[in-house]
Amino acid sequence: SSELTQDPVASVSLGQTVTITCLGDNLRTFSANWYQQKPGQAPTLVISNNNNRPSGVPARFSGSASGKGAFLTITGAQAEDEADYYCNSRDNTEHLVLFGGGTKLTVL
Amino acid sequence: QVHLHESGPGQVSSLETLSLTCTVSDASMSSHFWSWIRQSPGKGLEWLGSIYYSGSTNYNPALKSRVTISVDTSKNQFSLSLTSMTSADTAVYYCARGITSSWYAFDPWGQGLLVSVSS
Repeated sequence: SSELTQDPVASVSLGQTVTITCLGDNLRTFSANWYQQKPGQAPTLVISNNNNRPSGVPARFSGSASGKGAFLTITGAQAEDEADYYCNSRDNTEHLVLFGGGTKLTVL
Repeated sequence: QVHLHESGPGQVSSLETLSLTCTVSDASMSSHFWSWIRQSPGKGLEWLGSIYYSGSTNYNPALKSRVTISVDTSKNQFSLSLTSMTSADTAVYYCARGITSSWYAFDPWGQGLLVSVSS
């Protein structure tokens, strides 16, 4: 089956832009979603279907996809954006949901 | 605004069956998928399975022989059963709703329930 790969760590200076990447062969076919998780809290959806931002999510969060990659971009990162970020999608051949391993974002 | 809340035991014994319930508040269960996801301490997220409000299910193949998800729309609840629990199943268990445009995009999530397995 497929898998989703994320870099385990990333960092960004306050007010700067960072892009977090998720790679997987299935992303050529199926869309990706992104979740933010802060310590001790449940994940929250920040991007669905590659590039849709749910109501209430700040506009500095955006998503895109190309080939076998999906990308979460934070433009003008804030201190409160320091969190773990997970991508997810579905498998090519089964009704199987996949999660990436997560990226721990530090805002410097 | 829909709210989800997990309930069940915080500890089970090794080889026992875990039973959890997710109660859905302030929304109908109709036309949505409902899912269970877990997170081992300090680790990433693992999808366990999903159920449509009508009762059709998808399960993680890695756990398929051990997992059963059921739904009771009259009570606005869905449930997880996980048999033969071991220490590897110690995790925070979340329930979540699939959004209308994607059954595998989860929003919202419950607050999570930590389940420990004792030997």
